[in-house]
Amino acid sequence: SAVISQKPSRDICQRGTSLTIQCQVDSQVTMMFWYRQQPGQSLTLIATANQGSEATYESGFVIDKFPISRPNLTFSTLTVSNMSPEDSSIYLCSVVLGIRYEQYFGPGTRLTVT
Amino acid sequence: GQQLNQSPQSMFIQEGEDVSMNCTSSSIFNTWLWYKQDPGEGPVLLIALYKAGELTSNGRLTAQFGITRKDSFLNISASIPSDVGIYFCAGQLPDKIIFGKGTRLHILP
Repeated sequence: SAVISQKPSRDICQRGTSLTIQCQVDSQVTMMFWYRQQPGQSLTLIATANQGSEATYESGFVIDKFPISRPNLTFSTLTVSNMSPEDSSIYLCSVVLGIRYEQYFGPGTRLTVT
Repeated sequence: GQQLNQSPQSMFIQEGEDVSMNCTSSSIFNTWLWYKQDPGEGPVLLIALYKAGELTSNGRLTAQFGITRKDSFLNISASIPSDVGIYFCAGQLPDKIIFGKGTRLHILP
C-alpha cells in the first residue's frame, strides 16, 4: 500500500472563495483520482489526474470549477473554486498501485461552506 | 452508465453475529474490491478479487467474486465492535472504479 496524506484535513470557508486541497503520496504513482463524498453518500469520481496529461473530468464536473494540478508523480492539488454551500463535502484523493491496480485512499478533506 | 446495487443499506446486529452483504451489477467487472470506511477517514481496502469464482479471506472477512462476474459478496464472521462502519463494494474498470452506495453496519449494545 502507500501512505497518502491530505491537507487541510478540514476547513470552513465562506461562499465565493476558493480552497486548494493538497494530496501527497510517499511513492511515485501514475494514476491519481479525486473523489467527492457528500454526507452519508457514496464516493463520486470528480476527475482522473495522471502525470503528464490534462486531468479527465467526469460528467457533471468541469475544470473551471475544480482545477487540478499534477506537477509530479507524488503530488496533486484540487481547487474548489467559487464555493457554495452545495460544495460542502469530503474530498478524497486516491492512487492506484501495483500490477493489479489496487486503489488506495487518502484520509479526506472535510469542507464546509457557509 | 455502470451502477452497482449494494444491499442491505444498513444492518443492525448483535456482537458475535455473522454478517453478509452483497453487490450486483448489470455490467461485468474484471476486479471487485471491498472497502471499509470509518467516520472521518478515507476508505480502506479490505479485499480485492481478480477471478470469477475466487473466494478470498482476510481474517474474519471472506469475499467471493461471482462466477458471472456481475456480483460479489462479503461476509464478516463473529462481529466485534470495531467492525462498525460503512462497507463499500467497488467494481474496477480500466480507467476508474465504480462504487456501490455502501452498507452501514451497526452493532447493538
